[in-house]
Amino acid sequence: DAGVIQSPRHEVTEMGQEVTLRCKPISGHDYLFWYRQTMMRGLELLIYFNNNVPIDDSGMPEDRFSAKMPNASFSTLKIQPSEPRDSAVYFCASSLVGYYNEQFFGPGTRLTVL
Amino acid sequence: KQEVTQIPAALSVPEGENLVLNCSFTDSAIYNLQWFRQDPGKGLTSLLLIQSSQREQTSGRLNASLDKSSGRSTLYIAASQPGDSATYLCAALSSNTGKLIFGQGTTLQVKP
Repeated sequence: DAGVIQSPRHEVTEMGQEVTLRCKPISGHDYLFWYRQTMMRGLELLIYFNNNVPIDDSGMPEDRFSAKMPNASFSTLKIQPSEPRDSAVYFCASSLVGYYNEQFFGPGTRLTVL
Repeated sequence: KQEVTQIPAALSVPEGENLVLNCSFTDSAIYNLQWFRQDPGKGLTSLLLIQSSQREQTSGRLNASLDKSSGRSTLYIAASQPGDSATYLCAALSSNTGKLIFGQGTTLQVKP
């Protein structure tokens, strides 16, 4: 298995632009998680899905952030409009049959908002 | 609210030493505790996962222990190698919220 796939790996954009991050979970995994990592706050859970349904989005910082999972093999995290404080590394992770199981992380997307 | 703390924040040791990384958590209501490795500019690699009913897990030179009652976990690395240099993160999965709460990590440098 190729593992969790994220794209793009790096994204540089200007303030006010829309940014879309993409994730393909490991095939057969039924939980998908989006995390954000910054030096100041470390790794934080933004939102997670179970069988394509959002379960907990309490970590999404603002209405500018939205996430979707249209099918079992694809999820997006969108920021509109982006701001410099959104600069971070965004990770996607997936787990099999329950969120209490081991989570497998993708390589991350490094976002820089100028 | 679950809080996870890792001490020390950074550690430098000579090659061949055995070492212990510490992780503490404030809420004992956890499903499991997971240790990850993160190399600079890379994603997280899962090293060991200890279920709340277990006391320890081993994988090669790594051994992780869990003491729920005291809110502590340790990662023991035997015979350290320069290739072990990385940041090690522990994360507790809360059984109240279902969320994985991460510590800030310990950055390990193993000198040849």
